[in-house]
Amino acid sequence: GAGVSQSPRYKVAKRGQDVALRCDPISGHVSLFWYQQALGQGPEFLTYFQNEAQLDKSGLPSDRFFAERPEGSVSTLKIQRTQQEDSAVYLCASSLTQGVFGKLFFGSGTQLSVL
Amino acid sequence: QQPVQSPQAVILREGEDAVINCSSSKALYSVHWYRQKHGEAPVFLMILLKGGEQKGHDKISASFNEKKQQSSLYLTASQLSYSGTYFCGTEGDDMRFGAGTRLTVKP
Repeated sequence: GAGVSQSPRYKVAKRGQDVALRCDPISGHVSLFWYQQALGQGPEFLTYFQNEAQLDKSGLPSDRFFAERPEGSVSTLKIQRTQQEDSAVYLCASSLTQGVFGKLFFGSGTQLSVL
Repeated sequence: QQPVQSPQAVILREGEDAVINCSSSKALYSVHWYRQKHGEAPVFLMILLKGGEQKGHDKISASFNEKKQQSSLYLTASQLSYSGTYFCGTEGDDMRFGAGTRLTVKP
């Protein structure tokens, strides 16, 4: 595709609900990152994939957060039993290269609001 | 571990200069700089790959001191369009971003 696509753009969830956030990276991009961005803050690293392999998930805040990229392209970030503190913008970024990453292309993000 | 940026915020008049600093406690392969406008995705400005390297992009340039694990972004003769939040991203085993520097350019 022309850019990184994320869906949905906005998601409102009741506390305790499960949500799934989708990221379509640029075709052929090897590296894929998920970040959580609270209002007025920088993107906080969540997890990183190289193709289908999840190489780093040290930023996932709890075991309620789970990410996958089964075929090395589309990725899904799942949050189980959502809490109010999960409210944030979730950004996905992809890069053509692995190792030395090169330019990251960001999606527009999913704004999650947990009520 | 995320890099540390300073200052947190800067207010400039058009035509003035600014410097934004970024430092890391970890050895780095590269430093990235991005700008994010309100409600939008971060947009790539430049990457610095080598120690001591300097790069430029219009009137925005940056340096990277690999030994000190520090980078600085220089904005000269600022324009209204430069307003936004600037993030440095540091590449170690993954990509981490600083908390950002909010730059406001006023007429």
